Amino acid sequence: KAGVTQTPRYLIKTRGQQVTLSCSPISGHRSVSWYQQTPGQGLQFLFEYFSETQRNKGNFPGRFSGRQFSNSRSEMNVSTLELGDSALYLCASSLAGKGNTGELFFGEGSRLTVL
Amino acid sequence: QQQVKQSPQSLIVQKGGISIINCAYENTAFDYFPWYQQFPGKGPALLIAIRPDVSEKKEGRFTISFNKSAKQFSLHIMDSQPGDSATYFCAAAFQGAQKLVFGQGTRLTINP
Repeated sequence: KAGVTQTPRYLIKTRGQQVTLSCSPISGHRSVSWYQQTPGQGLQFLFEYFSETQRNKGNFPGRFSGRQFSNSRSEMNVSTLELGDSALYLCASSLAGKGNTGELFFGEGSRLTVL
Repeated sequence: QQQVKQSPQSLIVQKGGISIINCAYENTAFDYFPWYQQFPGKGPALLIAIRPDVSEKKEGRFTISFNKSAKQFSLHIMDSQPGDSATYFCAAAFQGAQKLVFGQGTRLTINP
């Protein structure tokens, strides 16, 4: 069974640009979450989608957005990039439905560098 | 309060020894406490998880001890091996939510 696939794995952008990251969850998983990982702040929750609906959102500015498609694939977008957005962005999928917390299966991440 | 505080930041243990990592939380509404293991270049992977109705859970060499009254939980790795060298994260989640609040992580090194 294929794991969570994230693309691209590495990318370099300049300040002010925007970026779109993609995530394909494990087949059958309808919940997709995104996390930002930095050395200073650790792992921080961005948002979670279930059946194309955002169920939870973290404390990030509106420049960070996401969406989920009918096939459960998800994208996140960061607009007007800042130097502080440089991070590893991790996508995780889960079998959990409504009302329960399930195991998160993480991808290997997309490493974004903002110059 | 949604923080989870993890200690120590780094830990060096001799092969065969016991590795202990501690976490503390404030919000009593948390009801799911997983531990994740992350190797360099990889995403975190679930190691073991516990819910507050249980005080201890053991899976192989890994044990979670949970103290509900103290709002603390810890990971014990028995007979630590060099292959256990990784970064470990504790986390907490509210009932039914897929949003995990992570601790800051502990970089564990097992010396051969």
